This record gives sequence, C-alpha cells and structure tokens, in this order.
Amino acid sequence: EDQVTQSPEALRLQEGESSSLNCSYTVSGLRGLFWYRQDPGKGPEFLFTLYSAGEEKEKERLKATLTKKESFLHITAPKPEDSATYLCAVPHDYKLSFGAGTTVTVRA
Amino acid sequence: EPEVTQTPSHQVTQMGQEVILRCVPISNHLYFYWYRQILGQKVEFLVSFYNNEISEKSEIFDDQFSVERPDGSNFTLKIRSTKLEDSAMYFCASGQIYYNEQFFGPGTRLTVL
Repeated sequence: EDQVTQSPEALRLQEGESSSLNCSYTVSGLRGLFWYRQDPGKGPEFLFTLYSAGEEKEKERLKATLTKKESFLHITAPKPEDSATYLCAVPHDYKLSFGAGTTVTVRA
Repeated sequence: EPEVTQTPSHQVTQMGQEVILRCVPISNHLYFYWYRQILGQKVEFLVSFYNNEISEKSEIFDDQFSVERPDGSNFTLKIRSTKLEDSAMYFCASGQIYYNEQFFGPGTRLTVL
C-alpha cells in the first residue's frame, strides 16, 4: 500500500535555529510530491511541487529537496511566524495521500 | 489571487440530519475534491470529481455521501444522515490536472451532536 511518512512528529526550535523535516514515500510511478503548510483550524496552504530527484525549490526561509525515496523541507533561520504544521503529499489515482505532518514551533 | 471558498465555516447539526457543505473552486480548474480531517489526525481523501462524474472515492465515502456540481461554479458535499463520527473539518480542493498540485479552501467545521 502506498504510504507517506513524516518525521519528526514535532519540532521545537529557537528563533534562528535551522533544521530539516523529512518525508519518505512508497508510491509507484511518482508524479510529484507536494509540500503544504497548515495553520490550526485552517486549510492546507500550497508551498512547493517537486517532480524529479535532485530538484530543489525555495521560498523565503524554506527549501524543499527531493530524492528517489524521500523529500526534505529545510527551514533556515526560522522566525516565530514559521510555526505551523508542514504536510507532504503525493498524488496517485485521482487523489492526494498525506503524511501526518510535522508540527514546528519556533520560540522567540 | 484566485482561491477556493467554502461555506459555512462552521455547521452544527443533530445526529441523523442532512447537511450540505458548499464550495466554490478556482474558476479555471477542472478537478474537484473533498477531504476531511478529524481533530488531531491526518488529512484523508473522500472523493474526486471530474467532468461531472466521480473519478475516485475512498471507503469513507459510502452511500450516505454524495457530491454534485449544480452549476458552473459550485461544488457540494451532502451527508444524508449524519453520525457522531462525521464530526471533522471538511476541505474542498481543486486542481487543473489530476496529478498537479491541489488548492484547498479554508474548511467547514462540522459538529454532529
């Protein structure tokens, strides 16, 4: 069965303390991998699409990378406003399968 | 910037009642989806819809659920007889191509009493 696994479940960072989140997947014929940000009580907000191994995408303090079996979301010098749950998802059979997410808390 | 909208933001209903959740997808998108998220759990797929037909549905999407695109802009999810376990956030999403990124609405919080 296709699966998306994210680690760690939670990450507590000091402002300015860079770190990485992991998303590993087992899906045949990968057609892309998506990263979303979700704030409490809100819908997932699209961040990045990655299509092929070696691809990188950046947005402000976030950088997403993709290998053949996993993706990383790097947060560089985070600020409190980067606190959120970060979700990865893979598309297959007319749907997205989501991981459980990594909840990031950045303290000032 | 175009966005997916959903109404209502919060719906409270009694067990056994029917509810209709409404969504307006992004106007040039062709694929429409409903997902739900029970508090503290992952986002889970319910149904996808393309060309006025269901493309895919999950095991959750049983005979109590139905979807409709009644006009050129709205997309609805109906739950015929709500159960306590239907309490969740329901998200509508839309996309241009089925394997491309999907854009999500703000959600409807459904509370079944």
